[in-house]
Amino acid sequence: EIVLTQSPGTLSLSPGDRATLSCRASQSISSSYLAWYQQKPGQAPRLLISGASSRATGIPDRFSGSGSGTDFTLTISRLEPEDFAVYYCQQFGGSPTWTFGQGTKVEIK
Amino acid sequence: QVQLVQSGAEVKKPGSSVKVSCKASGGTFRKYALSWVRQAPGQGLEWMGGIIPMFGTANYAQKFQGRVTITRDDSTSTAYMEVSSVRFEDTAVYYCAREDRNLAAFDIWGQGTLVTVSS
Repeated sequence: EIVLTQSPGTLSLSPGDRATLSCRASQSISSSYLAWYQQKPGQAPRLLISGASSRATGIPDRFSGSGSGTDFTLTISRLEPEDFAVYYCQQFGGSPTWTFGQGTKVEIK
Repeated sequence: QVQLVQSGAEVKKPGSSVKVSCKASGGTFRKYALSWVRQAPGQGLEWMGGIIPMFGTANYAQKFQGRVTITRDDSTSTAYMEVSSVRFEDTAVYYCAREDRNLAAFDIWGQGTLVTVSS
């Protein structure tokens, strides 16, 4: 079973800052199968990125994804007030199965 | 615009069962696989299992095998997730989500259903 480890657990930043979130897989995965979600309090998660780097419909271009193999990154180029939330990476595995990372909280400094 | 609308909050006693529904509107329900994800209070997302279209075959995360049953009724565009013998630690928000296999991601989510297990 592949384990996804996200770091840091919490990122304290100010609006306008750049946010860099990491997702590390316990073994190599296809970049086609790596997605990122945003979740705000009291809301369902929202798909941001699929295929490691493709933005979902309606997602602003300040969000970008990159990476391959075991190391993947979500970057928010300039944080807007509405970007403070929890972010999860997710992997699509065989069987089929799905695995989430434990999340990174981006909070206002 | 496809929407997934889940049933309302539930309060259950330990040892009982709970069944949550997820009804799709505005799209072709039968073409898509559906997954269920839960989130305990203050915790992260946990995939429980999913069900494919057409044949309705379900698969489960090992943790939930034997205690969770996922079904679907394509005639009413509704999926169901039942947890038997609930425990206090099953208190969580349960989400259904549409799987887009082309994206290898969950592109549409239900609003969530809070299940509280309390004696």
